[in-house]
Amino acid sequence: QSALTQPASVSGSPGQSITISCTGTSIDVGSYNLVSWYQHHPGKAPKLLIYEVSKRPSGISDRFSGSKSGNTASLTISGLQAEDEADYHCCSYTGINTFRVFGTGTKVTVL
Amino acid sequence: QVQLQESGPGLVKPSETLSLNCSVSGGGIDSDYWSWIRQSPGKGLEWIGDVHFIGSITYNPSLKSRVTISLDRPRDQFSLKVKSVTSADTAVYYCARGPSGYYYDTWGQGTLVTVSS
Repeated sequence: QSALTQPASVSGSPGQSITISCTGTSIDVGSYNLVSWYQHHPGKAPKLLIYEVSKRPSGISDRFSGSKSGNTASLTISGLQAEDEADYHCCSYTGINTFRVFGTGTKVTVL
Repeated sequence: QVQLQESGPGLVKPSETLSLNCSVSGGGIDSDYWSWIRQSPGKGLEWIGDVHFIGSITYNPSLKSRVTISLDRPRDQFSLKVKSVTSADTAVYYCARGPSGYYYDTWGQGTLVTVSS
């Protein structure tokens, strides 16, 4: 099972919106609404931003939103802020061997 | 608020067994899924496996032959063992809680394990 494909890096200016893609296949992202997204500042614990494609846990800003089309899930960060500079990881359930697969990770830079 | 904390040796010799514990505070392990995830240098996260509170366990097939995850309910801990380690097992290891097993809402800070002689 290969990792989900994410762009290595995405950048934007403060206040802008950016979108991070997470491309899988028909046996993972394409078949299940079980995609989650995590924000990870180096040296800290990863933080859940989105689960089940588009749901936000309590306490997560509505600047973060998730969606899915076909085999590709997306995370959009609107109103980009300096504190959003971090690594972002997607994760999906896969029907093969009932295990989970993460994305390759995306570094977000706020210009 | 549940908190997780990994503990264990930071250096393991090749061919030996890596052993880590995850202590759960602020709530017991009598519900949810309890997982291990790692990140090798310069790479993305990799799911290792998880154990459901009733005891069922699922492993990443690529690691299954070398990995054991177990629960210690009395101590509110769960553990990871990876045998016959190589340099490819050098990574930051995270423990995490999964309410449904499909996403992880609470993570430990992570612990770096280096495999080297």
